Amino acid sequence: AQKITQTQPGMFVQEKEAVTLDCTYDTSDPSYGLFWYKQPSSGEMIFLIYQGSYDQQNATEGRYSLNFQKARKSANLVISASQLGDSAMYFCAMREDYTGGFKTIFGAGTRLFVKA
Amino acid sequence: EAGVVQSPRYKIIEKKQPVAFWCNPISGHNTLYWYRQNLGQGPELLIRYENEEAVDDSQLPKDRFSAERLKGVDSTLKIQPAELGDSAVYLCASGGRGVDNEQFFGPGTRLTVL
Repeated sequence: AQKITQTQPGMFVQEKEAVTLDCTYDTSDPSYGLFWYKQPSSGEMIFLIYQGSYDQQNATEGRYSLNFQKARKSANLVISASQLGDSAMYFCAMREDYTGGFKTIFGAGTRLFVKA
Repeated sequence: EAGVVQSPRYKIIEKKQPVAFWCNPISGHNTLYWYRQNLGQGPELLIRYENEEAVDDSQLPKDRFSAERLKGVDSTLKIQPAELGDSAVYLCASGGRGVDNEQFFGPGTRLTVL
C-alpha cells in the first residue's frame, strides 16, 4: 500500500488565485511528521512547510498553509495568490518515527502549472 | 550559509562502468541522506547516516552500491558496475537534530547510463 498518495499528477491555476494540492498518508504510528517540498526545473528540492502529528494548529509559512485533517489522514498544501514562479513539482513527504530512528517517504508528486 | 554541495552535476557513463558521487553537507548537520529519484517519481531513500554511522541502508542495493561518510562530514556514493536502470538523479540531503527533522537538499547528480 502506498504510504503517501498524491492523486493529482498535474494541476493548473491562474496567476493570483489559490490552489490546493492533495496529499493523503497512511501510518499507524502516533508520532509522525508531514512535509511539503517544491522541486523547480533546476532539480533542487526546497522545503516549504512542516506539520507534526501532535500539532494542534495548521502550519503556515507565508503563502503556504497546510490543511491538516488527522482523522482523514490528509495533509493538503494550499498556495495562496499563485505566482508564475510557483510552477514546479510539489512533493508531499511523511516522516515515520520508530524507536531509535525515523524514515521519510515521499509521494510521487504533483506538477503545478501557473498560467499568466 | 552554504547549502549542500554535490558533484558532479551530470555524469554519462556506459553500462558496467563504475561511478561515484560526492556530497558535502551543511556545516554542523549530523544527518546525511542519499536518495535516488527516478524520472516522474519522488525521491527514494538509499541510505541515511548519523555522523559516521549508516543507520538505515535497507534500500541500498548492496551488490553494486556502496557509500561511506568518513569523519562524519563528506560522503561518497558509488555504483560498480552501473546498469541501465541506474539512470536517475541522485540527491544528497542533510539535516540537524531538530524536532521537525527538516532536510536540506543539494542540486543532485543526474546520471545517465548508456
